Amino acid sequence: GESVGLHLPTLSVQEGDNSIINCAYSNSASDYFIWYKQESGKGPQFIIDIRSNMDKRQGQRVTVLLNKTVKHLSLQIAATQPGDSAVYFCAEPRKGYSTLTFGKGTMLLVSP
Amino acid sequence: DAGVTQSPTHLIKTRGQHVTLRCSPISGHKSVSWYQQVLGQGPQFIFQYYEKEERGRGNFPDRFSARQFPNYSSELNVNALLLGDSALYLCASSFGQVNTEAFFGQGTRLTVV
Repeated sequence: GESVGLHLPTLSVQEGDNSIINCAYSNSASDYFIWYKQESGKGPQFIIDIRSNMDKRQGQRVTVLLNKTVKHLSLQIAATQPGDSAVYFCAEPRKGYSTLTFGKGTMLLVSP
Repeated sequence: DAGVTQSPTHLIKTRGQHVTLRCSPISGHKSVSWYQQVLGQGPQFIFQYYEKEERGRGNFPDRFSARQFPNYSSELNVNALLLGDSALYLCASSFGQVNTEAFFGQGTRLTVV
């Protein structure tokens, strides 16, 4: 069945560093992935998405890479800022629905 | 424009009690989904409602139920509360039933004691 999981529960970086958050998935038929950011006391917020016909997609300071061979995706945050401190989830829509299957999440801690 | 709003923001209940959580979707959105997020975990899908009908259900017991009203707002009901029901309950709205972006509310923090 569909499942999405995270490699690291916590990532600590210095302000200005680049951050890389990883995610593995198990369903080789998965064709769409979304990264969410969840700040303390708030609901998840959409960051960036990627479809399986792409290897890379860039947004503002964020890049998502998709490696379908090893069923792995990553979220790269450039010049990490204290405001980036949050829990980051990769998620996959349930086939044919707008509902989502989430992984456990990675907490990103940015120190000044 | 108002985003997804949920009420109450925090709630404390006793084991065995019943709880009702409420969600108002973004104006124009017809789909509402509910998720349970236990501390330290990702959100887990509970229900999806679209056009006032249940369109999907996650792996949750029958103590969990929901409904959607003509104005597309929604309620999540949980009966016979257990300590393990303590979690953040998230509501997400989207325009359509399928393949549309979901927008989340801030959640209701339920504590069962």
